[in-house]
Amino acid sequence: NAGVTQTPKFRVLKTGQSMTLLCAQDMNHEYMYWYRQDPGMGLRLIHYSVGEGTTAKGEVPDGYNVSRLKKQNFLLGLESAAPSQTSVYFCASSQPGQNYEQYFGPGTRLTVT
Amino acid sequence: ELKVEQNPLFLSMQEGKNYTIYCNYSTTSDRLYWYRQDPGKSLESLFVLLSNGAVKQEGRLMASLDTKARLSTLHITAAVHDLSATYFCAVLFYYNTDKLIFGTGTRLQVFP
Repeated sequence: NAGVTQTPKFRVLKTGQSMTLLCAQDMNHEYMYWYRQDPGMGLRLIHYSVGEGTTAKGEVPDGYNVSRLKKQNFLLGLESAAPSQTSVYFCASSQPGQNYEQYFGPGTRLTVT
Repeated sequence: ELKVEQNPLFLSMQEGKNYTIYCNYSTTSDRLYWYRQDPGKSLESLFVLLSNGAVKQEGRLMASLDTKARLSTLHITAAVHDLSATYFCAVLFYYNTDKLIFGTGTRLQVFP
């Protein structure tokens, strides 16, 4: 039981490049989330999903897109990376009715130069 | 506006001492979570507080929730170096989506 996993762990992009971050969970959770964490700050919600095929915007969605084609996977895309998107990205999942507790992945450290 | 504020933001304390971290939030909720984060690591769930007056304890840490005052506290008893980490509180405001709003974190350093 791996819990929540994220791929890749580190990535360096040049401004304007695109990439996709993959989040996978094996707990059969309905809800999944993407957060970013910047130095000295808490986590801020980018996008989330309350079920397969659904997505919604969080606090800071601009410059990102997401997809949830399979229940266990939640993809975060950057179409044209900007230095302001340099951050650590965390994925999380939760199951309604289980104390609403979110389980976090190990994070992806992204640097945009 | 939905806000979650923690204080202090940084805490340096000697081993053996006691201290309290405060988490205030701006609007009604009775779901509050405490997480620990070590440098370069992910978030580890410490406590889940689900009602007014909830109190939970694990080792040297004790968390409580007062929903009327919109306040949660994380109390540290007889601190040890291993407790050095950043502690976040997070509040559930959106019951139909489980969305959390995080505080900015309290960075705790415990020295001999």
